[in-house]
Amino acid sequence: EAQVTQNPRYLITVTGKKLTVTCSQNMNHEYMSWYRQDPGLGLRQIYYSMNVEVTDKGDVPEGYKVSRKEKRNFPLILESPSPNQTSLYFCASSPGTGGGTEAFFGQGTRLTVV
Amino acid sequence: GENVEQHPSTLSVQEGDSAVIKCTYSDSASNYFPWYKQELGKRPQLIIDIRSNVGEKKDQRIAVTLNKTAKHFSLHITETQPEDSAVYFCAASTGGGADGLTFGKGTHLIIQP
Repeated sequence: EAQVTQNPRYLITVTGKKLTVTCSQNMNHEYMSWYRQDPGLGLRQIYYSMNVEVTDKGDVPEGYKVSRKEKRNFPLILESPSPNQTSLYFCASSPGTGGGTEAFFGQGTRLTVV
Repeated sequence: GENVEQHPSTLSVQEGDSAVIKCTYSDSASNYFPWYKQELGKRPQLIIDIRSNVGEKKDQRIAVTLNKTAKHFSLHITETQPEDSAVYFCAASTGGGADGLTFGKGTHLIIQP
C-alpha cells in the first residue's frame, strides 16, 4: 500500500531534550516536506527536500533540522525543543518537484513540549 | 512569497444545502490550486484540484472555480451530507517551484442535521 509513515504518533517531552520524528514514504517520491499545524494558522511548511541531500527552509524553520540521506526517509530533528514547538506535525511527499502535484500526508505526530 | 487567504474560518450549513469556501492568492505565477479535506484526528487528503488553464472542475457534488484575473478560487459543495463535516484547506503553488504548496488557514465546515 502506497503510504507516508510517521513515528511516533504522540510524543510528550521536556524542554531541551533532543528528539527526532521519523518519516518514510514508499512511493519513490522525490519531494518531501514537513508542516506544522496550529489552531487558526493552518498548515505551515517547516522544511522541504527536492531530492537526496537537497533540503531547504520553508516558512517556519527556526528550531528545526532535517536530513535526506535516502530518498524514502526525511526525519525532522528538534535539537532543543521548546514549549512553542508544541504542535501537530505532518510529513508529506509528492512526485516531481512537489508544487504542482498532490501531496500525500503522513498520519501526523502530536508533540507536546513541557 | 505566496500568500493565501481563506474565508470563512467557520461555516455552518443545513444538511442538503450548499456550502461555498473562498480563497484568494497573491502570486500571479501560481497555477495549481488543490483543496484538502481533514476529518477530525485524520490527515489532510486531496479532494479536488484545478490548474490555471481551466476555469471550473467538477467531481460529483464538489466543484472548484478559478478566476485568474481576480486571483481567487472557490470550493462548492452541493447537497451537503453529515460526512462533509471537516476542515477544508485551499492551497496554491507555482506548479513547479521548489517551495511547494502554500495553504490557507482552513475552514471548519459544520453540517447541521
